[in-house]
Amino acid sequence: GQQVQQSPTSLVLQEGENAELQCNFSTSLNSMQWFYQRPGGSLISVFYNPSGTKQSGRLTSTTVIKERRSSLHISSSQITDSGTYLCAMADRGSALGRLHFGAGTQLIVIP
Amino acid sequence: EAGVTQSPRYAVLQEGQAVSFWCDPISGHDTLYWYQQPRDQGPQLLVYFRDEAVIDNSQLPSDRFSAVRPKGTNSTLKIQSAKQGDTATYLCASSLWGNYAEQFFGPGTRLTVL
Repeated sequence: GQQVQQSPTSLVLQEGENAELQCNFSTSLNSMQWFYQRPGGSLISVFYNPSGTKQSGRLTSTTVIKERRSSLHISSSQITDSGTYLCAMADRGSALGRLHFGAGTQLIVIP
Repeated sequence: EAGVTQSPRYAVLQEGQAVSFWCDPISGHDTLYWYQQPRDQGPQLLVYFRDEAVIDNSQLPSDRFSAVRPKGTNSTLKIQSAKQGDTATYLCASSLWGNYAEQFFGPGTRLTVL
């Protein structure tokens, strides 16, 4: 079965609203990472956050290992935040280097 | 510092045709990854190298896909006889060995098989 589940699949916000993106894992994780991807663009790492809470500007990531979940909070969303947000994990049993990605949350921020 | 570069950016094929994708990783990165990302899905690892050696190719459809990295720098991913199901974006990433949490991705090659 799928190891990484993301929700929601898509999200439409008005500029200035907050967004909460969720990522759930079916196995024990060893590391967790959030990526941002524009249509036709490469993946850009947003957070490497294997546990706890990290903040960078308007973005906050919280990973709770024992609950097998991670979240990405975007405050005061801007039009330029539009794109796809993907989470990826490396599980404890995986070969070194294997990241398992979720299907992503497509975020659209409108004026 | 130059990022990961890939070419071509787009490819359109008929079923049965062959295609090659090329990747130039970040200078000094000894680990190179190839991912397949179907539309509206997350990337799935196909194969990865440490220098010129294949570390894991268990997810590579070996009957039609092949990947090489002969000098431990640039890499080529080839599809011998493309199928419609191969339609996807092919992403290349690189990192330092053991630091898979910091993979840097290229822009990808968007493949459409008609």
